[in-house]
Amino acid sequence: AQSVTQPDIHITVSEGASLELRCNYSYGATPYLFWYVQSPGQGLQLLLKYFSGDTLVQGIKGFEAEFKRSQSSFNLRKPSVHWSDAAEYFCAVYSNDYKLSFGAGTTVTVRA
Amino acid sequence: GAGVSQSPSNKVTEKGKDVELRCDPISGHTALYWYRQSLGQGLEFLIYFQGNSAPDKSGLPSDRFSAERTGGSVSTLTIQRTQQEDSAVYLCASSFFGQPQHFGDGTRLSIL
Repeated sequence: AQSVTQPDIHITVSEGASLELRCNYSYGATPYLFWYVQSPGQGLQLLLKYFSGDTLVQGIKGFEAEFKRSQSSFNLRKPSVHWSDAAEYFCAVYSNDYKLSFGAGTTVTVRA
Repeated sequence: GAGVSQSPSNKVTEKGKDVELRCDPISGHTALYWYRQSLGQGLEFLIYFQGNSAPDKSGLPSDRFSAERTGGSVSTLTIQRTQQEDSAVYLCASSFFGQPQHFGDGTRLSIL
């Protein structure tokens, strides 16, 4: 069965510093991968997706992610974080019938 | 509206009561999904609809949970005889089939 692992439960980063969130997936075929962000009391907002093609995908809010099949990874990056990036981030993969399997999430704290 | 709308945003009820949660998907989206987000379990798939039919009900935790969708649009998730372990945030998402899912802000359900 498909699954997603986010190894980091909590990351603290200084404002203006770079951010990288790790995601590893287990899936037999070519995965459809996503990153979502959730602010407190809000639903999930789609940051970016990978379906096929270029392995470096650009998303909203200055985020990007790189699909690496050899490492079964889909890490999310941002070159310079803003205080408003403090939130919980979820990596997810589509199963054959297009239901999402989520990782446990990574909480990002941004310090001034 | 432009996004997925869920109501109520918050619901507090007594153990043993029935509750109904409503989801208004993005207009034209054929697929509709329900997920549950709780502290101990993370984000879990409950059920999805393609049109008005539910090909996959595998995530419903017990027979106290049911859902329907009418007119290919609005969906209702019903929990009968609520238990304290049903306390969670219930998230609805919609999409064109196979495309990224767009989430509502959720219904926070608290069982006293």
